[in-house]
Amino acid sequence: GAVVSQHPSRVICKSGTSVKIECRSLDFQATTMFWYRQFPKQSLMLMATSNEGSKATYEQGVEKDKFLINHASLTLSTLTVTSAHPEDSSFYICSPTSQGEDEQYFGPGTRLTVT
Amino acid sequence: AQSVTQPDIHITVSEGASLELRCNYSYGATPYLFWYVQSPGQGLQLLLKYFSGDTLVQGIKGFEAEFKRSQSSFNLRKPSVHWSDAAEYFCAVGVYNQGGKLIFGQGTELSVKP
Repeated sequence: GAVVSQHPSRVICKSGTSVKIECRSLDFQATTMFWYRQFPKQSLMLMATSNEGSKATYEQGVEKDKFLINHASLTLSTLTVTSAHPEDSSFYICSPTSQGEDEQYFGPGTRLTVT
Repeated sequence: AQSVTQPDIHITVSEGASLELRCNYSYGATPYLFWYVQSPGQGLQLLLKYFSGDTLVQGIKGFEAEFKRSQSSFNLRKPSVHWSDAAEYFCAVGVYNQGGKLIFGQGTELSVKP
């Protein structure tokens, strides 16, 4: 399967600060990137979808000005949580895919804790 | 609207016993169905997928799943569970007219008794 990395794997930040999470597809070109969020003991919920070079499309209820997504290259996408609050504490997972590929791959996730 | 339901939040089975994890979906067309496993601290790993064809799908680690259109189900099975199978299992449906996003079920946590 494809190799996907996320950095950092864990981050703790203070309320009001911003955190950037990187997702890299190491051995394939990710034309589309999905970002999911998983709260403890809950399922994965899609936050947004981005295509390389285009603006991200956000799911209902996800604030686009709070969760900034950049997908400027086929191997790197970033999610920036701006002005983080404790309720943003969650497990963030990226999922890149290639055009025409019917399987999605997942990063190992980033555990964000906002104090 | 598309949805996936996993009725069992937590299941405990004895090592060596058989396993069945339930998954029901709601989708207007022929679904693309997936089962993923998530171990603590690790990413999601694809166990198997169904797109079309044979309704009994074989996956990795000895897992299989059967697609039953009449029951809108895609249950995951394993004839003999190993202690290393303890993990969280997610069923998902792929929404390919919306860019390929996945809709996940709530997950089933599997515990294995020695």
